[in-house]
Amino acid sequence: EIVLTQSPVTLSVSPGDRATLSCRASQNVRSSLAWYQQKPGQPPRLLIYGIITRAIGVPARFSGSGSGTEFTLTISSLQSEDFAVYYCLQYNNMPPWTFGPGTKVDLK
Amino acid sequence: EESLVESGGDLVQPGGSLRLSCAASGFTFSGFWMHWVRQSPEKGLEWVSRINYNGSVTTYADSVKGRFAISRDNAKNTLYLQMSSLRADDTAVYYCTRDRSAPFDLWGQGTKVTVSS
Repeated sequence: EIVLTQSPVTLSVSPGDRATLSCRASQNVRSSLAWYQQKPGQPPRLLIYGIITRAIGVPARFSGSGSGTEFTLTISSLQSEDFAVYYCLQYNNMPPWTFGPGTKVDLK
Repeated sequence: EESLVESGGDLVQPGGSLRLSCAASGFTFSGFWMHWVRQSPEKGLEWVSRINYNGSVTTYADSVKGRFAISRDNAKNTLYLQMSSLRADDTAVYYCTRDRSAPFDLWGQGTKVTVSS
């Protein structure tokens, strides 16, 4: 089973800041890495898949990068609606599909 | 509008059974593999089970294998999860979600399952 670790656990930022979130996989997941955003009381929302492809309706300030075992989600200029928990998912070596433990982005 | 709506969550005693349903609308349900994913504070997001387009292929997490059964009725646009021999660590919000070219691109709002005496 591929284990995903995310850092930091919490990222405190101000609106307009650039936010960089990391996801590390225990094995090579090739291009099968996705990112999700979850707000309280809501289900996860797909943001990025295939490392770099934004899902339909996702603003351009969200971008993904990385390869192999190291991946990054960048929010170029944080908006108030971006405060949430962000999860990475690997879907290369499944079952099982595995999620990271999440990074909470909150207000500094 | 595409949507998934789960139902069937409840408070159940350890060792009990429960069936969850997920009603799909606004898209061609039979064109998607479907999954159940659960979320708890202790374990975070955890993939539970998957079913292919016509129900002929099913896959389970080790933690639920032999206790849970996924199925679907494409005529009713509905996904199911039959859960038996429930344990306290099955307590979670259960989501249904779909999978095709993008993984888990649509989620329901979830249904809460609590296993407790």
